[in-house]
Amino acid sequence: EDQVTQSPEALRLQEGESSSLNCSYTVSGLRGLFWYRQDPGKGPEFLFTLYSAGEEKEKERLKATLTKKESFLHITAPKPEDSATYLCAVLMNRDDKIIFGKGTRLHILP
Amino acid sequence: NAGVTQTPKFQVLKTGQSMTLQCAQDMNHEYMSWYRQDPGMGLRLIHYSVGAGITDQGEVPNGYNVSRSTTEDFPLRLLSAAPSQTSVYFCASSYSKRNTEAFFGQGTRLTVV
Repeated sequence: EDQVTQSPEALRLQEGESSSLNCSYTVSGLRGLFWYRQDPGKGPEFLFTLYSAGEEKEKERLKATLTKKESFLHITAPKPEDSATYLCAVLMNRDDKIIFGKGTRLHILP
Repeated sequence: NAGVTQTPKFQVLKTGQSMTLQCAQDMNHEYMSWYRQDPGMGLRLIHYSVGAGITDQGEVPNGYNVSRSTTEDFPLRLLSAAPSQTSVYFCASSYSKRNTEAFFGQGTRLTVV
């Protein structure tokens, strides 16, 4: 069964405390993996797309990496404004099907 | 540039009522889609459209209808609302089905009592 699993479900960090969010996937044929940020009461906002193992992308304090089984979203020296839910989604080769993970709720304490 | 606009933001329906959730985009995107988001679950695709006049079912289409008469608009119709349709609904658009930089609307929080 095709699955996308995000861990942890929730994460509380002190401001400046770096960490990583995980997105593991078991799908039959990956076309791309993407990360979104979602603030409470709002729609998801696109962050990154990764297409092949070994690829990395960065934006401000965020860096996304991809292997053949999982992706990590590394957050370096986070600030309170980085608090949000981070969603991972996989675009599959088969029928261009998209599967979203359940998300990781990140809370950065000042 | 407004992006993706959804209306209404909040709605309460009685079981059996029908309604239409509106979605409009001003980016000339071909691909538009509707998702529902429920607590403890990932976003699930309801219906999608790859262009005006073309629609198809997603993962959870039952109880919903869509049409796409223009590039800009993609309304979602609930035919006979049920409590199981209580959810937050998001409309999204992108250049193509494979283009992963999707733009999402602000969402419609629907409660069916």
